[in-house]
Amino acid sequence: EAQVTQNPRYLITVTGKKLTVTCSQNMNHEYMSWYRQDPGLGLRQIYYSMNVEVTDKGDVPEGYKVSRKEKRNFPLILESPSPNQTSLYFCASSLVGDGLQETQYFGPGTRLLVL
Amino acid sequence: GQNIDQPTEMTATEGAIVQINCTYQTSGFNGLFWYQQHAGEAPTFLSYNVLDGLEEKGRFSSFLSRSKGYSYLLLKELQMKDSASYLCAVTTYNTDKLIFGTGTRLQVFP
Repeated sequence: EAQVTQNPRYLITVTGKKLTVTCSQNMNHEYMSWYRQDPGLGLRQIYYSMNVEVTDKGDVPEGYKVSRKEKRNFPLILESPSPNQTSLYFCASSLVGDGLQETQYFGPGTRLLVL
Repeated sequence: GQNIDQPTEMTATEGAIVQINCTYQTSGFNGLFWYQQHAGEAPTFLSYNVLDGLEEKGRFSSFLSRSKGYSYLLLKELQMKDSASYLCAVTTYNTDKLIFGTGTRLQVFP
């Protein structure tokens, strides 16, 4: 089954404790992206990657890191989480056609609470 | 800059028709997506418009006017399961980003 998976689905942590949220897709998509979703603010892009070893900042990259060492995986790293990073996080992937991304498929989401 | 506007909330009755509007101001506009998102779940793809005009897919249709920076999603024969948020998102030639509006929460009543 074609899908984007994220782990963990739910996470409660404390300020300053490094964490990683994994994202994996089995559709051979070039493009992968991380979003956070907060009430009243909609989906905001954190980082994205057009292909292996190519990553770029989205609109809200502060406090986050990513890596793209393999095509299928795109982990999101919070080196020192803070309470303002409490949010619902989505990973997404898509093909890239003519240099532009196509329909994005979303993972199930990771609900993070930072105390 | 980029700006996308949608109404925050809408209500409608089961069996009715509802139109959800989206206006955008972006440089290098390429295309516009509509996604559906049920509470606590992932967004799912509904439609993608690049050219002007109406595209129909079953009960859902999407319209785009590039010159007016305007799109709408039309939902016919509303069902209770259509209660969800509807997200408008645009892509541009000059970035690799997908920029989302804040979404329209639709409630369908019996």
